[in-house]
Amino acid sequence: DGGITQSPKYLFRKEGQNVTLSCEQNLNHDAMYWYRQDPGQGLRLIYYSQIVNDFQKGDIAEGYSVSREKKESFPLTVTSAQKNPTAFYLCASRSGQGSALTYEQYFGPGTRLTVT
Amino acid sequence: EDQVTQSPEALRLQEGESSSLNCSYTVSGLRGLFWYRQDPGKGPEFLFTLYSAGEEKEKERLKATLTKKESFLHITAPKPEDSATYLCAVRPGYSTLTFGKGTMLLVSP
Repeated sequence: DGGITQSPKYLFRKEGQNVTLSCEQNLNHDAMYWYRQDPGQGLRLIYYSQIVNDFQKGDIAEGYSVSREKKESFPLTVTSAQKNPTAFYLCASRSGQGSALTYEQYFGPGTRLTVT
Repeated sequence: EDQVTQSPEALRLQEGESSSLNCSYTVSGLRGLFWYRQDPGKGPEFLFTLYSAGEEKEKERLKATLTKKESFLHITAPKPEDSATYLCAVRPGYSTLTFGKGTMLLVSP
């Protein structure tokens, strides 16, 4: 089955530690995205990548870093510089093929990160 | 500034009681309005994309419509399994998506 996987589902870290969240897709999608979801707020874009070896900052990139070495993978590192890292993190992907109007993003199951 | 506002924040319905969720937007150069369903603790599930005013799309008990200022998600004769948070997102120009805060729907048997 094609889809997006995120691991782990739950992640616990101590304050001051960096942590890397995994996102893998086998949909052959070109673009991948990382969002953060907090209670009572809409999804906020952290980083996105439209092709391998290239990525752009989203609205809330401070304290985060990413890499895109393979088309299938887009890991997110939450660094100790992120002031409020506890949140639900969602990875998404989008096909770059077909009509230029097509922009549906498909989401993974999410990783809930708790930092204490 | 591009804005997306969803209302109500929460909606409680009895099974079979039809209603509508609203997504109003202020964007320049809309290039798509998207509806998603999100169950607690899970990632959003794509439902619909609407591109132009007057467009409508249906899926089972859900029907999405679009005007120049807002979109409605109509739920006809809802069932308890329709309970979820429904998210609306817009694509301003060739930019990335801007999401609303969502409407939490609870359908009681």
